[in-house]
Amino acid sequence: DAGVIQSPRHEVTEMGQEVTLRCKPISGHDYLFWYRQTMMRGLELLIYFNNNVPIDDSGMPEDRFSAKMPNASFSTLKIQPSEPRDSAVYFCASMRGAYNEQFFGPGTRLTVL
Amino acid sequence: AQSVSQHNHHVILSEAASLELGCNYSYGGTVNLFWYVQYPGQHLQLLLKYFSGDPLVKGIKGFEAEFIKSKFSFNLRKPSVQWSDTAEYFCAVNPINQGGKLIFGQGTELSVKP
Repeated sequence: DAGVIQSPRHEVTEMGQEVTLRCKPISGHDYLFWYRQTMMRGLELLIYFNNNVPIDDSGMPEDRFSAKMPNASFSTLKIQPSEPRDSAVYFCASMRGAYNEQFFGPGTRLTVL
Repeated sequence: AQSVSQHNHHVILSEAASLELGCNYSYGGTVNLFWYVQYPGQHLQLLLKYFSGDPLVKGIKGFEAEFIKSKFSFNLRKPSVQWSDTAEYFCAVNPINQGGKLIFGQGTELSVKP
């Protein structure tokens, strides 16, 4: 299995631009998580899905952030408009079953200038 | 609020020294517990996990952790560290009434001097 795939690996954009991060979970996994990692705040859960349905989005910082999971093999995290404080590494993780190990992707390093 | 505390932000050891990283959580119900490791420039990988049973769990690369329910702790240990253990270590808690949600500690950066 290829593991969790994220794209792009690096993204540099200017403030105000729309950013879309993509994630392909491991086949057969029914949970998908989006995390953000920063030096100041550590690893934060933004949102997670079960069977493509958003379950908990309480970690989404504000309305500029949105996430979708149109099918079991694809999810996006969108930031519109982006701001410099959104600069972070964004990780996607997937899991089979509710109480199990989460498998993390390599992350997308986002820099907003 | 539920939280996970890792007491050491940065630990520096020489090779062959013993390691113990502290982790405490604040949640009164049943939890699953994890330690993840992030090597420089890489993604998080599972070191070990505790769901139930023997509170002393063994993971990969010689790591082990002990769950002490009365202390709400899940400390990570390794008898003899190697330079290749240089990484950031994260403790994480999954309250079982919250689906798969993981609450992470702030992480402990471990630097091992050769």
